[in-house]
Amino acid sequence: EVVLTQSPGTLSLSPGERATLSCRASQSVGTYLVWYQQKPGQTPRLLIYGASSRATGIPDRFSGSGSGTDFTLTISRLEPEDFAVYYCHQYGSSWAFGQGTKVEIK
Amino acid sequence: EVQLVESGGGLVKPGGSLRVSCVASGFTFSNAWMTWVRQVPGKGLEWVGRIKSETDGGAADYAAPVKGRFTISRDDSKTMVYLQMNSLKIEDTAVYYCTTFARTDTPYWGQGTLVTVSS
Repeated sequence: EVVLTQSPGTLSLSPGERATLSCRASQSVGTYLVWYQQKPGQTPRLLIYGASSRATGIPDRFSGSGSGTDFTLTISRLEPEDFAVYYCHQYGSSWAFGQGTKVEIK
Repeated sequence: EVQLVESGGGLVKPGGSLRVSCVASGFTFSNAWMTWVRQVPGKGLEWVGRIKSETDGGAADYAAPVKGRFTISRDDSKTMVYLQMNSLKIEDTAVYYCTTFARTDTPYWGQGTLVTVSS
């Protein structure tokens, strides 16, 4: 069973700053990893698939990188609408989700 | 356009049963593996289980917390997938999402249906 660990649990930043979110897998998942953004009361919104490909309509300030066990989601310059919870999700071996990183306004 | 629409959520007493459904459209349903994910309000996402396509054997797998209590089935003629939940516990209270990759690189999600287990 693959376990995904996200860090940090909470990231306190100001608009315009850079956000770097980490997701580590307990064993290799190749590039079978996606990232979601979720706001209260909403369904998860797909940001990145295949570890590094932006989903349709996602601004280029969002980027994903990594393969194997270590993955990163970077938001280059935070906009007010980016403050939310972010989840990673692997589908290389069954499915598993990280516990989430909350990006909050400092 | 891929669409997944869940229904059947509601309030049920501990120990009770409930079946939630998901109707799919916009892709070749019979080829797709279908997955249920749940989310306790205010908490993270949790994989519940999945069912393979009939052409891939049609078997279902479950997460440990629901194994033996939940059953996933599918009706390809109706493009529907079901989650039968028995012996429900308070900790099963969650929004239940129907999801699939539909044999593509990207996952698709329904809007979810809320199941509340309470006396």
